[in-house]
Amino acid sequence: GAVVSQHPSWVICKSGTSVKIECRSLDFQATTMFWYRQFPKQSLMLMATSNEGSKATYEQGVEKDKFLINHASLTLSTLTVTSAHPEDSSFYICSARAGQGRNQPQHFGDGTRLSIL
Amino acid sequence: GNSVTQMEGPVTLSEEAFLTINCTYTATGYPSLFWYVQYPGEGLQLLLKATKADDKGSNKGFEATYRKETTSFHLEKGSVQVSDSAVYFCALSPNNAGNMLTFGGGTRLMVKP
Repeated sequence: GAVVSQHPSWVICKSGTSVKIECRSLDFQATTMFWYRQFPKQSLMLMATSNEGSKATYEQGVEKDKFLINHASLTLSTLTVTSAHPEDSSFYICSARAGQGRNQPQHFGDGTRLSIL
Repeated sequence: GNSVTQMEGPVTLSEEAFLTINCTYTATGYPSLFWYVQYPGEGLQLLLKATKADDKGSNKGFEATYRKETTSFHLEKGSVQVSDSAVYFCALSPNNAGNMLTFGGGTRLMVKP
């Protein structure tokens, strides 16, 4: 149980393109979803937290107009990288959590590798 | 603020060797502690966790004990396999922040046959 599906797994596109990444919780309702960015051989950096039906909370230094997050339902959150440029190339990982309890784990998707040419 | 420090990798071991990956943390209160594993090209999988002092998390032969006195949560395995090759992340969740995870820098483990 607790499967999180991320799509697409890999995308290559030209500079200036906007790219949408989907994160779905397949067998549970996710009240909260998280979006992380991971540079090669580095740790995960939290970009933003989204709660269903409300605006996402962005971490310091993350441009909310650049990285649009929508959490329209309890099973789906999307991250749109607008007008992507080569410096946006990275591995993006989402996670989903079912409840608010301190012992509720985050369940991670398999990540999306974004390459901007 | 909260922080997690892991030993730098890569850690290279022969099959059946003993593994220790050190992890120490800084946090206020009583955080929950986690180890995640990331296989190449994939997301993170929860490996084990501990939610209070002296708890031992264990899974797939891996173990880690929550040591509040040394603020540590070292990962151990008695006999590693080639299939254990991956990147391991230590993480904490503070007790009053809705389970927000703070990750360590990750340690790459390479196991040779």
